[in-house]
Amino acid sequence: AQSVAQPEDQVNVAEGNPLTVKCTYSVSGNPYLFWYVQYPNRGLQFLLKYITGDNLVKGSYGFEAEFNKSQTSFHLKKPSALVSASALYFCAPRGNLIFGKGTKLSVKP
Amino acid sequence: DAGVIQSPRHEVTEMGQEVTLRCKPISGHNSLFWYRQTMMRGLELLIYFNNNVPIDDSGMPEDRFSAKMPNASFSTLKIQPSEPRDSAVYFCASSSWGLSSYEQYFGPGTRLTVT
Repeated sequence: AQSVAQPEDQVNVAEGNPLTVKCTYSVSGNPYLFWYVQYPNRGLQFLLKYITGDNLVKGSYGFEAEFNKSQTSFHLKKPSALVSASALYFCAPRGNLIFGKGTKLSVKP
Repeated sequence: DAGVIQSPRHEVTEMGQEVTLRCKPISGHNSLFWYRQTMMRGLELLIYFNNNVPIDDSGMPEDRFSAKMPNASFSTLKIQPSEPRDSAVYFCASSSWGLSSYEQYFGPGTRLTVT
C-alpha cells in the first residue's frame, strides 16, 4: 500500500526566509515520491520527483526536496521564500493515484 | 504542446440535469485520470484509464457517475442525474504509464455548480 501524510494544513513564512513543507510516506517497494503545486483556480503542476539516486532533488521554481529513508520523509524546501510561492502543495507516492491533503503555503512580504 | 484540455471550464446546472465533462489528454500519454476536488474532501481520484481501458473506478461515488474513453485523445465524465453535492472542481490528468515513475499533467479543471 502507498500513502503519504502532510502533517501541516498551513505553513506561514516571511519573504526571504527559508521554507519547509513536510511530507512523510509509507510505501512498499521503491519509494517514488512527487511534489505538486496548485495555484488558485489552476490544476496541479508537477514540481519535482525522487526516483533513485541523490537524496537531494532539485525542481522547478528553485524548489528542492530531500529524501530521508530513515525518517521516511520527503520534505519540500526552498532557501528563500517568495510571495509568488504562496499556493497549495501536494505530496504523492508512486503511481500518483493518491495525494496528500495538501499544505497551504503563505509567504508574507 | 497545448497541455491537457478540459471543457467546459465552468458549468452551472440544475439538480436532476445531465452533465458531461470533457477531456483531451496530452498526445502520446497513455494514462488518463479523473479527479474531484472539494474543500471538505480534498483531491479524490474517481477513475483512471490505461490505454483507453478503465483500470480502477472504485473512486466513482455512485452509479450516477460514468466515464468513457473511446480513443486515446478523448474522455468524458458524465453525471446523470446531477445533485447539489456533486458541486466541485473536476480535474483531468494524463501521464505516461511505465514504472509508476511518471508525473501527471493536469488540466485547468471544470468548476461544476449544481443548484
